[in-house]
Amino acid sequence: NAGVTQTPKFRILKIGQSMTLQCTQDMNHNYMYWYRQDPGMGLKLIYYSVGAGITDKGEVPNGYNVSRSTTEDFPLRLELAAPSQTSVYFCASSYFRGVETQYFGPGTRLLVL
Amino acid sequence: GDSVTQMEGPVTLSEEACLTINCTYTATGYPSLFWYVQYPGEGLQLLLKATKADDKGSNKGFEATYRKETTSFHLEKGSVQVSDSAVYFCALSGGGSEKLVFGKGTKLTVNP
Repeated sequence: NAGVTQTPKFRILKIGQSMTLQCTQDMNHNYMYWYRQDPGMGLKLIYYSVGAGITDKGEVPNGYNVSRSTTEDFPLRLELAAPSQTSVYFCASSYFRGVETQYFGPGTRLLVL
Repeated sequence: GDSVTQMEGPVTLSEEACLTINCTYTATGYPSLFWYVQYPGEGLQLLLKATKADDKGSNKGFEATYRKETTSFHLEKGSVQVSDSAVYFCALSGGGSEKLVFGKGTKLTVNP
């Protein structure tokens, strides 16, 4: 059982480039989340999904897009990378509504130069 | 909106010392409270939780009590180990919401 997996582990982007951060879970969880973690700060919710085909904005959605075509996958898209998007990105998933059962992936470190 | 304030770090302790990391919250209604731990290079893991006032969450020797009167959820451990070195996050979820609100995190380093 792999849990929540994220790729890549680390990426350097130039300003204006685009990329997709991949997130996959094999626990058949309905709920999936994307967070960013800036240095010295707690995690902030970017987007979340309560099931395939359903997504909603979190606290800091600007500059990002998501899709949820399957239960397993929840990719995060950066269209025009900016230095302010330099951060560590965590994907998480949960089966039940509510947060006590959120499982986190290992994170993707993104540097935008 | 809901918020979590936890003590600034970093915190450096010697092995077997006592640990307290303060956490206070602001929320409407009756939130659930959590402590997450992030070991170096890893994602967050749930350490313990409490879902109602006066509940005590405990795990791996860590404890935290949900204090509604002081809106606090302080993390404590009587004797820390080197392996406890990590970043600790206090978090809340309001009333059945699927969203977590995190504090800024407190980095703990335990020296042998």
